[in-house]
Amino acid sequence: AQSVAQPEDQVNVAEGNPLTVKCTYSVSGNPYLFWYVQYPNRGLQFLLKYITGDNLVKGSYGFEAEFNKSQTSFHLKKPSALVSDSALYFCAVRVLSGGYNKLIFGAGTRLAVHP
Amino acid sequence: DAGVIQSPRHEVTEMGQEVTLRCKPISGHNSLFWYRQTMMRGLELLIYFNNNVPIDDSGMPEDRFSAKMPNASFSTLKIQPSEPRDSAVYFCASSLRSSYNSPLHFGNGTRLTVT
Repeated sequence: AQSVAQPEDQVNVAEGNPLTVKCTYSVSGNPYLFWYVQYPNRGLQFLLKYITGDNLVKGSYGFEAEFNKSQTSFHLKKPSALVSDSALYFCAVRVLSGGYNKLIFGAGTRLAVHP
Repeated sequence: DAGVIQSPRHEVTEMGQEVTLRCKPISGHNSLFWYRQTMMRGLELLIYFNNNVPIDDSGMPEDRFSAKMPNASFSTLKIQPSEPRDSAVYFCASSLRSSYNSPLHFGNGTRLTVT
């Protein structure tokens, strides 16, 4: 079955340390992968995407993600975390279902950056 | 650019009442999506439109739910009659194209509480 998984409900990081939020996927064909962030009482905001090309994708707010085809992963990373990065992060993958493209989201990972 | 505008931000209603949620997509976007977010099921795609035409409504939970897009700048999601299990945050999103190459832009959501 086509799916996307975020194995961690929450990630805790000290400010200034590197952060990683994990995502794995299972799709037919070439994956279209996305990361979105959600702040409290707000809608999701697009961070970055992988469609094709370089496996390391750079996005908004200093975030980047690495596409790893052999491990079917698309982990989100940032070299130095900020307290303001604390939010809910969603990985998403485009799947073909019932003849239509759909974007399905993981369950989300809450990132808490401590001063 | 005002972004995707949803109204109301909060809706509290009694079981059995009709509820109408409204969305104004970003001007020039030709795809519109309705998502529902709950703690139990995360983000679920309910329906999406391309050029005002409903393309995939397989995510609409029951016949009590209906969605319309009478023109490129307005969409509604209606629940009639509403039930307590419909309580959730409902998001509208729009994008330039339906292929998911372009990011989704989300509104701030409508928090629906059915008592």
